Amino acid sequence: QVQLQQSGPGLVKSSQTFSLTCAISGDSVSSNSAIWNWIRQSPSRGLEWLGRTYYRSKWSNDYAVSVKGRITINPDTSKNQFSLQLNSVIPEDTAVYYCARGSLNHGFDYWGLGTLVTVSS
Amino acid sequence: QSALTQPPSASGSPGQSVTISCTGTSSDVGAYNSVSWYQQHPGKAPKLMIFDVSKRPSGVPDRFSGSKFGNTASLTVSGLQAEDEADYYCSSYAGGSNLVFGGGTKLTVL
Repeated sequence: QVQLQQSGPGLVKSSQTFSLTCAISGDSVSSNSAIWNWIRQSPSRGLEWLGRTYYRSKWSNDYAVSVKGRITINPDTSKNQFSLQLNSVIPEDTAVYYCARGSLNHGFDYWGLGTLVTVSS
Repeated sequence: QSALTQPPSASGSPGQSVTISCTGTSSDVGAYNSVSWYQQHPGKAPKLMIFDVSKRPSGVPDRFSGSKFGNTASLTVSGLQAEDEADYYCSSYAGGSNLVFGGGTKLTVL
């Protein structure tokens, strides 16, 4: 059974950077068939896919246009986890952030419990 | 892209069937057989209920079914049960690295 455990701060100041980590059990961040994603949810923006990382003979990342330039998703093979870093945050980045396994065209089958990140102005 | 359009609410009595619609465009729902549906209870993470328009992940009851016609996808919940009361979200692949979600439908079991 795949489990995703999220960790990271819940409060960050505007213009700063926050990082979240998603530890994987029951699968591997280096799997040749899995894709690892970050998704957020807020009352104003709804559910929003942010980006992904995956390994297919080499590592690849893709990011949503809405956050491109501010987001970095990195795998950590030594700890079997992946991370989200979002720079220059604004209050509109306040949301519950989820990590999830899955693909854009076949859905996300395993989710972390979510982390509420509040950006204070 | 714009969000997919879902009705804000739907309801039905126990045992009845209810259908939730999800309307997109020819660039997302109409272009790909890549519609997913998620169930979300308050304070919980979304749960995948349907993928590839009409496929059910292992463990999802067959009371949940999905379909698509043109630019509109639908989720039908048959034999409504109290535990089906939740928010439901659709999503559609939109090409490249693009995914669009619906705004969500609150399903109430009367």
